[in-house]
Amino acid sequence: DAKTTQPNSMESNEEEPVHLPCNHSTISGTDYIHWYRQLPSQGPEYVIHGLTSNVNNRMASLAIAEDRKSSTLILHRATLRDAAVYYCILKGSSGSRLTFGEGTQLTVNP
Amino acid sequence: DAGITQSPRHKVTETGTPVTLRCHQTENHRYMYWYRQDPGHGLRLIHYSYGVKDTDKGEVSDGYSVSRSKTEDFLLTLESATSSQTSVYFCASLWGPSSGANVLTFGAGSRLTVL
Repeated sequence: DAKTTQPNSMESNEEEPVHLPCNHSTISGTDYIHWYRQLPSQGPEYVIHGLTSNVNNRMASLAIAEDRKSSTLILHRATLRDAAVYYCILKGSSGSRLTFGEGTQLTVNP
Repeated sequence: DAGITQSPRHKVTETGTPVTLRCHQTENHRYMYWYRQDPGHGLRLIHYSYGVKDTDKGEVSDGYSVSRSKTEDFLLTLESATSSQTSVYFCASLWGPSSGANVLTFGAGSRLTVL
């Protein structure tokens, strides 16, 4: 399984942008980059995913490096409700084993 | 929302007793997963299923078994619970075929305490 590396923790102020990095140097050509987040005492939830091009949705933006070895989840204006653990995983088209790392604990200060 | 429900949501049991956690999904998803999460840590894959009666081991499968006799149900069994299996267990499902674009949907979790 291709592995991802994320910082253990990051901190931001409310209403400021947050850039959460993820390194995935062993990504294969067919791997999608997925982001999930886990709010306190809840199950993880899907945030965004992409293959090569940058992606935007109502929750966040995903910026993917040209060589695809890293990506950045962008929260344009952090709110207190965005405080969560954010996981970056790679999902391929073959096989179904999906593993998560430790994720990044995002703290948002008022 | 894939409609994944886990039961029980909370359970306290004693060391050596068998425990079964149930995951039920209503979306006809092909793939289902069991993860455990310990305090301050990420998710670790226990077992997963890629179809009825098709299962495989994850990262931390020792002490756990699973069964999938119907598409909608994925059962996780601890044959003889130990204190090290105290954890929060999350079930997830994924629609097939296995495209990289398909996303996981998680249940709310089952908190298990083994005394």
